[in-house]
Amino acid sequence: NAGVMQNPRHLVRRRGQEARLRCSPMKGHSHVYWYRQLPEEGLKFMVYLQKENIIDESGMPKERFSAEFPKEGPSILRIQQVVRGDSAAYFCASSPPRGTVNEQFFGPGTRLTVL
Amino acid sequence: KNEVEQSPQNLTAQEGEFITINCSYSVGISALHWLQQHPGGGIVSLFMLSSGKKKHGRLIATINIQEKHSSLHITASHPRDSAVYICAVRYGGATNKLIFGTGTLLAVQP
Repeated sequence: NAGVMQNPRHLVRRRGQEARLRCSPMKGHSHVYWYRQLPEEGLKFMVYLQKENIIDESGMPKERFSAEFPKEGPSILRIQQVVRGDSAAYFCASSPPRGTVNEQFFGPGTRLTVL
Repeated sequence: KNEVEQSPQNLTAQEGEFITINCSYSVGISALHWLQQHPGGGIVSLFMLSSGKKKHGRLIATINIQEKHSSLHITASHPRDSAVYICAVRYGGATNKLIFGTGTLLAVQP
């Protein structure tokens, strides 16, 4: 059973470009979470999604950031018109459906560098 | 004030020492997680606790719900234990989001 997969592992973008980060949850997991770790800072929650639904996006910046988790395929975190302050490690986690053990399993992260 | 406080922020130990990392939180939670992160690396979930105590190898995690406090212990520490250890709490309700402490940077010297 493969773990949570994220790609790319490293992503370099120039200011103004778009960044797309992908997350494939563990098999059987229908809940996905995105977290951001800025340099020298702790992890912060961004968004919580179930298939085709955003459950909690209270940690998402109001502009330029969006997330989706379609019925088929991976979850996508999209950052439009990136700025240097978006440089960070972005971690995805997944968990089983509610009512079972809700432990979250983390992916290896995508390290975004904005030049 | 951070909702989740960890202490110490930095810890240096000699190989073989017993290590304790503490975590305090301010409101009731449904679960507490201990995570490990190596520099530049991914995040590994060590424990998820809602009460009592759990043990895995040389690692032990305890939680006191009344005092809103948890501890992570490492027995017979080894240089490969050097990493950042992060406490995270999950509140009940519709959201499963985690609120993280700032982490404890552990260095175990041979």
